[in-house]
Parts: sequence; structure tokens; C-alpha cells
Amino acid sequence: SQQGEEDPQALSIQEGENATMNCSYKTSINNLQWYRQNSGRGLVHLILIRSNEREKHSGRLRVTLDTSKKSSSLLITASRAADTASYFCATDRPSGNTPLVFGKGTRLSVIA
Amino acid sequence: DAGVIQSPRHEVTEMGQEVTLRCKPISGHDYLFWYRQTMMRGLELLIYFNNNVPIDDSGMPEDRFSAKMPNASFSTLKIQPSEPRDSAVYFCASSDFSEGDFNQPQHFGDGTRLSIL
Repeated sequence: SQQGEEDPQALSIQEGENATMNCSYKTSINNLQWYRQNSGRGLVHLILIRSNEREKHSGRLRVTLDTSKKSSSLLITASRAADTASYFCATDRPSGNTPLVFGKGTRLSVIA
Repeated sequence: DAGVIQSPRHEVTEMGQEVTLRCKPISGHDYLFWYRQTMMRGLELLIYFNNNVPIDDSGMPEDRFSAKMPNASFSTLKIQPSEPRDSAVYFCASSDFSEGDFNQPQHFGDGTRLSIL
């Protein structure tokens, strides 16, 4: 089944550095979404990017989408310890009402 | 907005027992999703409802699993009988099918951590 795959599986950086996570998927999409999950909590929606968009910003978050390469990236600038979490991409399909499929996530650790 | 509310937060029970997980979606949301999360398999969609009607239950692993949504503000996921391999975190999520776009952002509850001994 179609599934986004995040890369890397785990990432450890110092506070203040930028963190980049990537997501690759297999088939055409209508939109791609990024979610964050703090330990012991549910997923929280961060940003949605549509297939006709190439870049979106939300605060310190920047998401890019390259449909020709079937990939997306999530950049967190000036990371903080509070950004420590797992980050997931989720994709859909352009035809029909099909639910999102989530990847297995990138575990980000930001060290103060 | 209270968000999606799940109960219980933790459940520990013995193999063979019936387990019932509960979910209250965000008021006004017309889609409700049940997921299971494990380290090995990640986040798996079990079943989802639209306006209280089950749409796709192809992710339900076995007949031991069943889900209901008797009204717009309540859903249950039941496992009977439970087995140790059912141990996982179970999430409920809801979304609002507005603007004609099926895949709106989903709002997740904080999950039920289920341990079957």
C-alpha cells in the first residue's frame, strides 16, 4: 500500500541548529501532511501541502514538496528542546476518498 | 474546544478478557478514525466512520475486533477475546469534511495504552 517513508529514522541535534526530515512516497498524491507526536501523546497536525504547491511556511516550519521526485521535506529552524518529538508524514491519493497513510516517523532529539 | 477524548488512558488486562476503548470526537466532525500504533508496524488505520456509518474496516486485524459509533459523539473499539499481541497504543482521531476535501487535518486523542498479559 502507498506509504510515506521518513528519513532519517532518528536525528539528534543541538538546540539552535536546524533539523531537516524527509519523506518519500510511492504514488501520486492530492496532498501531504506533517504531524508531530510528543512522547505519550497523540499526533498533532503541523502543516498540509497540496500537490500544486511547492513550499509552505508556518512559523519556524518550512515544508517543501517535489512531486516529480515524490518527496517532501520538513525543516525546523532554530530548534528548541521542546521540538523533541517524532515527526510523521501522511499521504493520500488523488482519486477517490481514501484515508491518509502515515509513515513510521523520524524521532528528533534536540539537546539543550 | 475539548479535543478528542479517549478513555481509558491505560488498560492492563489478562489474555482472554474483553476490552472496550472509548472515544468522543470533536463536536461537528463527521469523520472518525481508529488507529493502532506499535514500534514494529507504526500507525495502522483500523476502521473509519463517516456520519456514524463504518466506511472501511479492512484494517481490522481479526474478527475479534469490532467498532461501533452509535451517535455522533461516541465510538467504541472492542476486542474480544484479547490476546497479548493486541498490546499497543490505540488512537482515535476525527476530522471535518469541509470544503469538499476529504483529507482535512486529523485531530488525535492522546490514546489508550493497552497491555494484554
